[in-house]
Amino acid sequence: NAGVTQTPKFQVLKTGQSMTLQCAQDMNHNSMYWYRQDPGMGLRLIYYSASEGTTDKGEVPNGYNVSRLNKREFSLRLESAAPSQTSVYFCASSEVRQSWGYTFGSGTRLTVV
Amino acid sequence: DQQVKQNSPSLSVQEGRISILNCDYTNSMFDYFLWYKKYPAEGPTFLISISSIKDKNEDGRFTVFLNKSAKHLSLHIVPSQPGDSAVYFCAASEDTNAGKSTFGDGTTLTVKP
Repeated sequence: NAGVTQTPKFQVLKTGQSMTLQCAQDMNHNSMYWYRQDPGMGLRLIYYSASEGTTDKGEVPNGYNVSRLNKREFSLRLESAAPSQTSVYFCASSEVRQSWGYTFGSGTRLTVV
Repeated sequence: DQQVKQNSPSLSVQEGRISILNCDYTNSMFDYFLWYKKYPAEGPTFLISISSIKDKNEDGRFTVFLNKSAKHLSLHIVPSQPGDSAVYFCAASEDTNAGKSTFGDGTTLTVKP
């Protein structure tokens, strides 16, 4: 099925470990985004990529890096995980027309102990 | 400062009645307003949007109303069905900002049979 695929779905890390969250979309969308959702809160933007080859910081970028590998793939890296990064991470993509909204992946539930 | 606010964390309605979910915003530069629906353990799915130049948009059982002077929008669901039980997020975006959206904290809607 067409959409946004995130891997892994679940991950437990120890403080200080690193990992990369993968995201791929097959809808030929130009823009891609990484959000995090903490309990009882909305989604906060970590990084986004308006088009292939560009990336920009969002609201909460500290502790993260991203790579827009090609038009399809946008990865999020935690270099040294901290308990404050325990969250659910969502990748999304969109067309230029914002009225069409985002297509989200199913999320990665990350726990840092 | 939270730019998009959903002041009601939860709402409970009877099946067949109207559900009204509310959202307030502070940034007058927002061009689009969107509603997403989220089931547990899934990513949000786009529901309906409205441009800032309109005051109403309708799609089946879902209608969004925008009051720009009050910086307020609402989502009406008529008639409500048990399958509508989910968390609803309000979001807003600017045309000039690569489509990145700012989300509210969500309202959990429960529709009772």
